[in-house]
Amino acid sequence: GQQLNQSPQSMFIQEGEDVSMNCTSSSIFNTWLWYKQDPGEGPVLLIALYKAGELTSNGRLTAQFGITRKDSFLNISASIPSDVGIYFCAGRGGTASKLTFGTGTRLQVTL
Amino acid sequence: DAGITQSPRHKVTETGTPVTLRCHQTENHRYMYWYRQDPGHGLRLIHYSYGVKDTDKGEVSDGYSVSRSKTEDFLLTLESATSSQTSVYFCAISPPSGGYTFGSGTRLTVV
Repeated sequence: GQQLNQSPQSMFIQEGEDVSMNCTSSSIFNTWLWYKQDPGEGPVLLIALYKAGELTSNGRLTAQFGITRKDSFLNISASIPSDVGIYFCAGRGGTASKLTFGTGTRLQVTL
Repeated sequence: DAGITQSPRHKVTETGTPVTLRCHQTENHRYMYWYRQDPGHGLRLIHYSYGVKDTDKGEVSDGYSVSRSKTEDFLLTLESATSSQTSVYFCAISPPSGGYTFGSGTRLTVV
């Protein structure tokens, strides 16, 4: 099946730093989504991207749909302690509705 | 405003016993999904449903069955629980081409 490679797997950063993570696919996707999961909870949708080249922001978060349609990037500016969690990318290809998820990036923020 | 609830939140069961997890939605979405989340594996799709009585297998369906007798409920059954099925189980719902909304998860321990 389709594989999504997400990197880095984990990262420690200091409060105030910017964060970048990315997701690459072996297949083309028509939709890219980014989710965040807090401990003990289910993932929550942060940003959805529907068009190649699209750049979308949600507060301090900015995500981009890669031109090749095989990758996506998420940036977090000026990180704060509540940014801690696991970030998942997800892509949708030709099958209606089913998403493929990356393995996640665990973000830890130190003061 | 949960829109999706999972029950139970936690369960400990013995090897060989049947277990049923319930997912209930109030959004009237057509699509419902069951995932399991394990360290190092991210979210893996077990089964999904695209309508009442319409279900299909995901990538890790062995040992699991599902039923959907009405739009709002999607049940996941472990016919005979094994230790390898110890995991956190998430239900998700979605419209045909939208992002998923996840439940808060069920932590299942098979002893």
